[in-house]
Amino acid sequence: SAVISQKPSRDICQRGTSLTIQCQVDSQVTMMFWYRQQPGQSLTLIATANQGSEATYESGFVIDKFPISRPNLTFSTLTVSNMSPEDSSIYLCSVVRTSDSEQFFGPGTRLTVL
Amino acid sequence: KQEVTQIPAALSVPEGENLVLNCSFTDSAIYNLQWFRQDPGKGLTSLLLIQSSQREQTSGRLNASLDKSSGRSTLYIAASQPGDSATYLCAVWEDKIIFGKGTRLHILP
Repeated sequence: SAVISQKPSRDICQRGTSLTIQCQVDSQVTMMFWYRQQPGQSLTLIATANQGSEATYESGFVIDKFPISRPNLTFSTLTVSNMSPEDSSIYLCSVVRTSDSEQFFGPGTRLTVL
Repeated sequence: KQEVTQIPAALSVPEGENLVLNCSFTDSAIYNLQWFRQDPGKGLTSLLLIQSSQREQTSGRLNASLDKSSGRSTLYIAASQPGDSATYLCAVWEDKIIFGKGTRLHILP
């Protein structure tokens, strides 16, 4: 299975600031995703992180609010911009193994916005 | 539009019992279905992946089945243990990956 790390594991931030979350994978993967999990809810896909091109965002998520970078096949960042308390969530990155399409998740970043 | 439903939302059973978690989906044209486990405040751990051409997968005390024609999957847990307490999520991959809301499982010692 792919080993995925995320930084930071948690953070408490002030309203109006931005936070960048890093996701590092121990092997090259083609497909990488960012999800949000609000308290008590299931996972919602934010975007697909595309290597070398702009991310593909799901309905309700925009690049100005959630800019994503994917400089290579093992690393991606998600920035949560101009944060409000409604952005308090767990943010998770995931990858899909090419050989059988099994999906693996990082440990998540727990964000609290005051 | 694909919808994934998991019933029940929560379940408590005594230790040692066998149990079944259910997952249903509305569009049978799926690429695969995957079961995950999530412990409180943690990421997701992959349990079993069933390709669209498969009927079931087994790993230890876990067995997952897939019936595409009826839009259903079940996760069978044998001889449950307190360590099995977690939220179990299923996800289907059609044109994108859609998650159910999960079943919160509590195994009573």
